[in-house]
Amino acid sequence: AQKITQTQPGMFVQEKEAVTLDCTYDTSDPSYGLFWYKQPSSGEMIFLIYQGSYDQQNATEGRYSLNFQKARKSANLVISASQLGDSAMYFCAMREGYSSASKIIFGSGTRLSIRP
Amino acid sequence: NAGVTQTPKFQVLKTGQSMTLQCAQDMNHNSMYWYRQDPGMGLRLIYYSASEGTTDKGEVPNGYNVSRLNKREFSLRLESAAPSQTSVYFCASGAPWGGVREKLFFGSGTQLSVL
Repeated sequence: AQKITQTQPGMFVQEKEAVTLDCTYDTSDPSYGLFWYKQPSSGEMIFLIYQGSYDQQNATEGRYSLNFQKARKSANLVISASQLGDSAMYFCAMREGYSSASKIIFGSGTRLSIRP
Repeated sequence: NAGVTQTPKFQVLKTGQSMTLQCAQDMNHNSMYWYRQDPGMGLRLIYYSASEGTTDKGEVPNGYNVSRLNKREFSLRLESAAPSQTSVYFCASGAPWGGVREKLFFGSGTQLSVL
């Protein structure tokens, strides 16, 4: 069954340090996609990065990169040089399959707090 | 470009009342989704739809009904609201999948309180 796990309920990081947010997943489908979203205190859902199961390289978007380890079924988000504005909830999500009928489920999230 | 539009933004109901949350997208997406987010928690999938006229249950479908009226619109109905349905509701759309830069687009959310 499709499952997403985020084991870090909360993290504190010093400004300008790099931070890794953990995400593990479980699926029997070889075709899947993994997403990361940021939710600031305003409540909106902000897309950060996407990784497809067949992508050969790890995805990167500016300060965000996805450390995709397929054999370990992990898709950790790495934020380089953290900023105060990075303080938010972060959610990992998985789409199983590539059809329009594919479910997308989310993990429980990690609350990241950046210390000045 | 409006993206995903949800209405209303806020709603207070009494136990037993009914209401419909509306969602519309203008990006010609096939897939649409309804999620609920309880305080301090992640998003849980209520129902989703792959195309007009088709809907499927998600992780927490009990107490809800949905309708995919056309490709643009996907509504969520609470027939008899309960306090346990107090939550923030998000509508989202996406697909076709398989692109390099695919993503799920979200509405701004509906904050629902059931007293």
